[in-house]
Amino acid sequence: NAGVMQNPRHLVRRRGQEARLRCSPMKGHSHVYWYRQLPEEGLKFMVYLQKENIIDESGMPKERFSAEFPKEGPSILRIQQVVRGDSAAYFCASSPPGTPELALFGQGTRLTVV
Amino acid sequence: KNEVEQSPQNLTAQEGEFITINCSYSVGISALHWLQQHPGGGIVSLFMLSSGKKKHGRLIATINIQEKHSSLHITASHPRDSAVYICAIYNTDKLIFGTGTRLQVFP
Repeated sequence: NAGVMQNPRHLVRRRGQEARLRCSPMKGHSHVYWYRQLPEEGLKFMVYLQKENIIDESGMPKERFSAEFPKEGPSILRIQQVVRGDSAAYFCASSPPGTPELALFGQGTRLTVV
Repeated sequence: KNEVEQSPQNLTAQEGEFITINCSYSVGISALHWLQQHPGGGIVSLFMLSSGKKKHGRLIATINIQEKHSSLHITASHPRDSAVYICAIYNTDKLIFGTGTRLQVFP
């Protein structure tokens, strides 16, 4: 049981490119959360997903950001047309059904936009 | 005003000292987490509390639900404890984080 796996660990994109961040939850976890940590700032909630459903996306920027958690495969956080302000650490957490307070975190993906 | 406030923001200590980090929150919660993050590293969950006190090794976490306050204590601190410690409350379906306490323990 490898825990919550995020890849890549580090991602460099030029302004205007797309960034795709992947999160494979722990075995048996069907809920996924994405959080963003801007440089020198605290963690902020972005989106909460269950398989094939977005439950709460109140923390997602209105444009360029999207997230999915398909029936098969990892959850994907997609950022289109990246800008320098998107540079941050993006963390994924997963939890079992019905116990979101037991969420475990991945190692994060550090996105740098140049 | 943030819903989760931590103090102090920065803390330095000599190896062996007893350390306390405080967390106050202003909304109802079902659980509170203490998390640890090393520079450039991932996030590790240290404790999840809904009442009382928990102990793991040299770490102790307490929570007072009525006062909306939690503390994280480190006994006999060690340089490897140097990290950012983050308090997070579980509110409805998501975690709300404090801004963290940066701890440096010198030998």
